[in-house]
Amino acid sequence: AQSVTQLDSHVSVSEGTPVLLRCNYSSSYSPSLFWYVQHPNKGLQLLLKYTSAATLVKGINGFEAEFKKSETSFHLTKPSAHMSDAAEYFCVVSEPYNFNKFYFGSGTKLNVKP
Amino acid sequence: DVKVTQSSRYLVKRTGEKVFLECVQDMDHENMFWYRQDPGLGLRLIYFSYDVKMKEKGDIPEGYSVSREKKERFSLILESASTNQTSMYLCASSSRGAGANVLTFGAGSRLTVL
Repeated sequence: AQSVTQLDSHVSVSEGTPVLLRCNYSSSYSPSLFWYVQHPNKGLQLLLKYTSAATLVKGINGFEAEFKKSETSFHLTKPSAHMSDAAEYFCVVSEPYNFNKFYFGSGTKLNVKP
Repeated sequence: DVKVTQSSRYLVKRTGEKVFLECVQDMDHENMFWYRQDPGLGLRLIYFSYDVKMKEKGDIPEGYSVSREKKERFSLILESASTNQTSMYLCASSSRGAGANVLTFGAGSRLTVL
């Protein structure tokens, strides 16, 4: 079975500084990997996805993530945080041949200080 | 703009009431899902459906049932609501095509059972 570990439950950064949200996964296959963002009392919105093409994936709102197979990691980064980035972020893994199986990390709450 | 629409954003019900949560998607997706989200527990799959009239139990189906009579609509039913079903409920859909099966989420339905 696959699993997803988000290493930090809370991350706090100052506006204009870099963001790093960490995600590690375990998988027996070549997984598909996703990052979603959830603003308070809203649903989850897709930020970016990795599907075995380029290992550096660019998403919306200036976010990007790098797939590192040797480290089984898929960390999310952004060069400069904005106040509107304050939200909860979820790392998600899916099995390549099982369309109904998605494994969610426990989430990382990002706080952005003025 | 593609959408998953959940009919009720906020509901307050009493213990023992029957509750219907409706979800409609306009993307012609084959797969639809119901998750519940609770602080500290992340997202947990209640039920999913891979076709009309087809359903499979997820990780926490007890106390819930579902209905999928049309491809675009997936309903979650609480036959007799209980206080421990107070939660945020998220509907999602995905296609069954090759490649990454991206989940598209609705805005969520926050249910309070008194």
